[in-house]
Amino acid sequence: KNQVEQSPQSLIILEGKNCTLQCNYTVSPFSNLRWYKQDTGRGPVSLTIMTFSENTKSNGRYTATLDADTKQSSLHITASQLSDSASYICVVGASGGSYIPTFGRGTSLIVHP
Amino acid sequence: DTAVSQTPKYLVTQMGNDKSIKCEQNLGHDTMYWYKQDSKKFLKIMFSYNNKELIINETVPNRFSPKSPDKAHLNLHINSLELGDSAVYFCASSQWDRSNTEAFFGQGTRLTVV
Repeated sequence: KNQVEQSPQSLIILEGKNCTLQCNYTVSPFSNLRWYKQDTGRGPVSLTIMTFSENTKSNGRYTATLDADTKQSSLHITASQLSDSASYICVVGASGGSYIPTFGRGTSLIVHP
Repeated sequence: DTAVSQTPKYLVTQMGNDKSIKCEQNLGHDTMYWYKQDSKKFLKIMFSYNNKELIINETVPNRFSPKSPDKAHLNLHINSLELGDSAVYFCASSQWDRSNTEAFFGQGTRLTVV
């Protein structure tokens, strides 16, 4: 069964600090992995996407890594800002057959001043 | 311009009622989705339409019926609402591409059944 596990479930950090969110998946055959950011009361917005051959991708202060061998991804946030407070969702897509992405449950990040 | 718009944003209704949520996208995408997000923030796909044709229908009670009058619209009708239907419902759209699909989400409709 395709699954995506994220950790930690929630995280509180001080403004300016760095943090790393984890995503482990068992989706097969793997196609791509996306990190979404969901602000409170809003829909998710894509931050990065990585395919099998990519192992790192940056979007401003967000850097995602992918290890397709161990089926792990991380999202690193540098110099956090109050606006980074949100839920971060890891979504893994499978290839072949009908395309149904598998969602993680998300990590809730709170950045305090 | 809002890319994916849902109405209403909030919906409070009594058990047993029938209600609809509308969704429209102006991105020219050929695929639209409905997701349900429960109180624990878990997003779960319910339906997906590609070119007005149902392609994904997860385990959802048949009280939920999606309707796609054209590629730009996917409405969700719910009959005989139950307390457990309370959740945030998200509409999304994408261009059908199995290797690189990004879904663009609406702002969500918070449904509360009392």
